[in-house]
Amino acid sequence: GNSVTQMEGPVTLSEEAFLTINCTYTATGYPSLFWYVQYPGEGLQLLLKATKADDKGSNKGFEATYRKETTSFHLEKGSVQVSDSAVYFCALSDLLGGANNLFFGTGTRLTVIP
Amino acid sequence: EAQVTQNPRYLITVTGKKLTVTCSQNMNHEYMSWYRQDPGLGLRQIYYSMNVEVTDKGDVPEGYKVSRKEKRNFPLILESPSPNQTSLYFCASSLWRAGEETQYFGPGTRLLVL
Repeated sequence: GNSVTQMEGPVTLSEEAFLTINCTYTATGYPSLFWYVQYPGEGLQLLLKATKADDKGSNKGFEATYRKETTSFHLEKGSVQVSDSAVYFCALSDLLGGANNLFFGTGTRLTVIP
Repeated sequence: EAQVTQNPRYLITVTGKKLTVTCSQNMNHEYMSWYRQDPGLGLRQIYYSMNVEVTDKGDVPEGYKVSRKEKRNFPLILESPSPNQTSLYFCASSLWRAGEETQYFGPGTRLLVL
C-alpha cells in the first residue's frame, strides 16, 4: 500500500541554520510527491511538488528531490528564517488506484528562533 | 480568487446532535476530499468524491456521511457526533488528471464534541 514516513519533530533551529526534514515513502504505483506547509492557525498550503523520479521541486528557498532509488523526498533549505516556523507535511498522491488520494506523513513542527 | 471555503470555522456541540460542515470550491475541480487532523497522526482521509454523485470512503469514514449533488459543494455530515470526532477538519479539491493533481485546502474547521 501507500504510506509516508517523515522525521519526527519538533525541530528547533536558529535563524540562518540549514534545514533537512527527512521523508521516505512506500507506493504501489508511480506517485507524485508533495510538501505541504501549515502556518499557525491556517490550512495547508502546497510548498513544492515533484511528479516523477529525479524531479526537483523548489519554492521559497526550499528544495526536495524525488529519489526513486531511495524512495525519499527530503526537504531542505539552506538558511531558515523565523517566518519559516510551521508544520511541514510530506505527502504522496497515486492516481494508479483511480482516485487522487493524498497520503500524509505525521508532520514535523519547525520552530526557528532569532 | 480561487479558493476552498469551509463553514463554520469553529464549532462546539454535544454528543448526538447532528451537524453539517459545508465545503465549497470555485475552481471547477472534479475531485474533493475531507480529512481530519489529529496530533501525532497527521491528516487522514475521511471521504472523497471524484465527481458529482460519485463518493467513496477514505481511511476513517466511520461516523461520517458526505454528499456531492453539485460540483462545487461537498458537505460533511455527522449524524450523531461523539467525542472521538473532536478534531480539526479540512476540505480539499483538485483537478483529476496526472500532473494536475495538486490539492487545494480550505482553512479548516475546528470541532469540539462534548
